[in-house]
Amino acid sequence: GAVVSQHPSWVICKSGTSVKIECRSLDFQATTMFWYRQFPKQSLMLMATSNEGSKATYEQGVEKDKFLINHASLTLSTLTVTSAHPEDSSFYICSARKQGNTGELFFGEGSRLTVL
Amino acid sequence: QKEVEQNSGPLSVPEGAIASLNCTYSDRVSQSFFWYRQYSGKSPELIMSIYSNGDKEDGRFTAQLNKASQYVSLLIRDSQPSDSATYLCAVILNTGFQKLVFGTGTRLLVSP
Repeated sequence: GAVVSQHPSWVICKSGTSVKIECRSLDFQATTMFWYRQFPKQSLMLMATSNEGSKATYEQGVEKDKFLINHASLTLSTLTVTSAHPEDSSFYICSARKQGNTGELFFGEGSRLTVL
Repeated sequence: QKEVEQNSGPLSVPEGAIASLNCTYSDRVSQSFFWYRQYSGKSPELIMSIYSNGDKEDGRFTAQLNKASQYVSLLIRDSQPSDSATYLCAVILNTGFQKLVFGTGTRLLVSP
């Protein structure tokens, strides 16, 4: 159990368009999901914490109006990169924590975004 | 000071040797520590979790935790070429959301 699925796994878009990435916990309920971004040869950087039914909490330096996060159910969180630019090209990874658990996170497969 | 620090490497070891990966963290009250392995272009996968001082062994992997020194390590015995990857140390911060933060990762190269 504890499977997290992301979609799409890769996406190419034109500069100025918006892209939505979905993160689903397939076999458990997740009150909290986390969104990370990873640039080439760098580590995972936490972007925001997504809580079901409330506004996301963003890390310092992450623009909340550019990276829209919605966590409308206990199994789905979405990240929308608005007005994407080439510098937003990155590997976006979500993770989820089982409801009632304060430990291990389960990671999605990641979504590679390329903005032309 | 970064929340989690690792030597970026690469750490090169011959096949069959022991690889030793180290990590320090700044949050003195952190209680949960993890080692993840990440292959290029892939999402990280959990190798070990450790919560108490001392050693925890799982197959060829041993995690060591010293909370007084704020130090976590991962030993890989009988290293195999397939172990070549980036190893990420991660710590849950003692904040309201229990955020998991990562070190920069150590790249391990195991030569045949």
